[in-house]
Amino acid sequence: DIQMTQSPASLSASLGETVTIECRASEDIYNGLAWYQQKPGKSPQLLIYNANSLHTGVPSRFSGSGSGTQYSLKINSLQSEDVASYFCQQYYDYPPLTFGSGTKLEIK
Amino acid sequence: QVQLKESGPGLVQPSQTLSLTCTVSGFSLTSNSVHWVRQPPGKGLEWMGGIWGDGSTDYNSALKSRLSISRDTSKSQVFLKMNSLQTDDTAIYFCTRSRTGRNWFAYWGQGTLVTVSS
Repeated sequence: DIQMTQSPASLSASLGETVTIECRASEDIYNGLAWYQQKPGKSPQLLIYNANSLHTGVPSRFSGSGSGTQYSLKINSLQSEDVASYFCQQYYDYPPLTFGSGTKLEIK
Repeated sequence: QVQLKESGPGLVQPSQTLSLTCTVSGFSLTSNSVHWVRQPPGKGLEWMGGIWGDGSTDYNSALKSRLSISRDTSKSQVFLKMNSLQTDDTAIYFCTRSRTGRNWFAYWGQGTLVTVSS
């Protein structure tokens, strides 16, 4: 099974800042990676797929990058509505489909 | 539009069986797959398993001995059955859709909280 190691577990940043969340796969996942945002009490929402493709309707301040085993989600110009938990998910090799452990983002 | 909605009991006794239904609309179960993902309160997401468009299933090996996923295409419903529930199965259970060959999840149900307690 492919393990996803996500960091940091929590993050506090100021409005307008740029933040980066990282996921490392236990083996090459060939860009088979998605990122989700989950606000409290809500279902996860897809942000990015294929490591760097922005899902329809997602603001352009979100971007994904990476290759091989290392991937990152960047949020430019942090907004108050970005307070949420963020999860990565690999889908290159399954079963199982596997998620990272999550990053909780707060505003300073 | 694409919609998924979970239904089932909110409370299950330890050692009993959980039965959940995911009722979908806006897409065909024969050309899309539906998966179950759960989330213990305050914790991360765990893929439980899924049923593919051709009706085949895959399961998380950690749950495989207790879990069954099936569907009724005429009713646009997908079913989850998991036996021998314990308190650490307390979680929000989501159903979610992926398209053939694109195993990321753009559509999710609202989730249903299942509490395992006597």
